[in-house]
Amino acid sequence: KAGVTQTPRYLIKTRGQQVTLSCSPISGHRSVSWYQQTPGQGLQFLFEYFSETQRNKGNFPGRFSGRQFSNSRSEMNVSTLELGDSALYLCASSFLGANTGELFFGEGSRLTVL
Amino acid sequence: KNEVEQSPQNLTAQEGEFITINCSYSVGISALHWLQQHPGGGIVSLFMLSSGKKKHGRLIATINIQEKHSSLHITASHPRDSAVYICAAPWDTDKLIFGTGTRLQVFP
Repeated sequence: KAGVTQTPRYLIKTRGQQVTLSCSPISGHRSVSWYQQTPGQGLQFLFEYFSETQRNKGNFPGRFSGRQFSNSRSEMNVSTLELGDSALYLCASSFLGANTGELFFGEGSRLTVL
Repeated sequence: KNEVEQSPQNLTAQEGEFITINCSYSVGISALHWLQQHPGGGIVSLFMLSSGKKKHGRLIATINIQEKHSSLHITASHPRDSAVYICAAPWDTDKLIFGTGTRLQVFP
């Protein structure tokens, strides 16, 4: 069974640009959640999608957005990048969601904003 | 005040020692996750538990939902156990709140 795949693994952007990150969940999993990890703030919840619907959103500005497709693959987008957006972005998939089942994490996308 | 607190923040042990990491939370939850993160970033789920105790190899996790406390124990610790251990509580609809993590180093 293939694991959770995140692309790209590494990327460098400049301030003001926008970025799109992709997450392919484990086959059959309908829940995809996104997290930001920084040295200062640790791991923080961004949003969670289940069957193409956003069920919850963390305390991030509107520049952070996401979506989920009918095949459960998910993308997140950050517009007008700021230096503080440099972070490791992780996604996790689960069958029904974090409240009820195990989470399977991808390796992450490491974003550097210059 | 963080809604999920872990202790200790850093832990150093000699190979073979028994390790305990604690997690306390103030939010009302029905389950709790224990995660392991190695250098490089990859996160592995160790346990998800809603009551009692779970065991996997040398790892044991316990939770007391009423007291809002969970512990992760590592028996016969090994240098390969060196990692950051994170507890995470899902509340609302699948919104995970993370502890600050416990950095464990096990020396031979």
